[in-house]
Amino acid sequence: DTGVSQNPRHKITKRGQNVTFRCDPISEHNRLYWYRQTLGQGPEFLTYFQNEAQLEKSRLLSDRFSAERPKGSFSTLEIQRTEQGDSAMYLCASSSTDGSQPQHFGDGTRLSIL
Amino acid sequence: AQRVTQPEKLLSVFKGAPVELKCNYSYSGSPELFWYVQYSRQRLQLLLRHISRESIKGFTADLNKGETSFHLKKPFAQEEDSAMYYCALSPQGSEKLVFGKGTKLTVNP
Repeated sequence: DTGVSQNPRHKITKRGQNVTFRCDPISEHNRLYWYRQTLGQGPEFLTYFQNEAQLEKSRLLSDRFSAERPKGSFSTLEIQRTEQGDSAMYLCASSSTDGSQPQHFGDGTRLSIL
Repeated sequence: AQRVTQPEKLLSVFKGAPVELKCNYSYSGSPELFWYVQYSRQRLQLLLRHISRESIKGFTADLNKGETSFHLKKPFAQEEDSAMYYCALSPQGSEKLVFGKGTKLTVNP
């Protein structure tokens, strides 16, 4: 297992376009998390799933953001009608349910809005 | 509201010197505290968590509930310790991590 995998690594798009990112967690992990990190800041929590259920969402997750994990495996994060302020690194992490394992992070997807 | 404060944005020490990265938190309950590290061109990874009470790569961190601090310490810094360090807490009943802004540690030869 290569760890948490995120695609694409970089995404450049024009303001107003929709973008979708994918995260593949570590195979035995049933919890999956999305974070956003802007320059000079630590990661900020967006949402998390346990299996296919989305159990917690941050107020940062506006109506333009939607995350899914339809079969409890990979997850997608979609941003509709992108804005300049959406430019950031989007990080995915996964962990097991029993709490014995910490959150393992992926390399992230860097989004740049032109 | 939960908040993690890392007062030093940058910290520079010489090899062999002691190093302390400060972390203070604001939370009314009993959080779980973590230190994550990001080496150059690598992904964010866990360094240590307070419930483990381990020493990882010579680093230790003690939770001081009275001072609401979780400072990271190492008695003799090495050049390979140069990295970005993030303190984080997980509130009771939540699985999220709340991160500080990070401290960039540079260990000079």
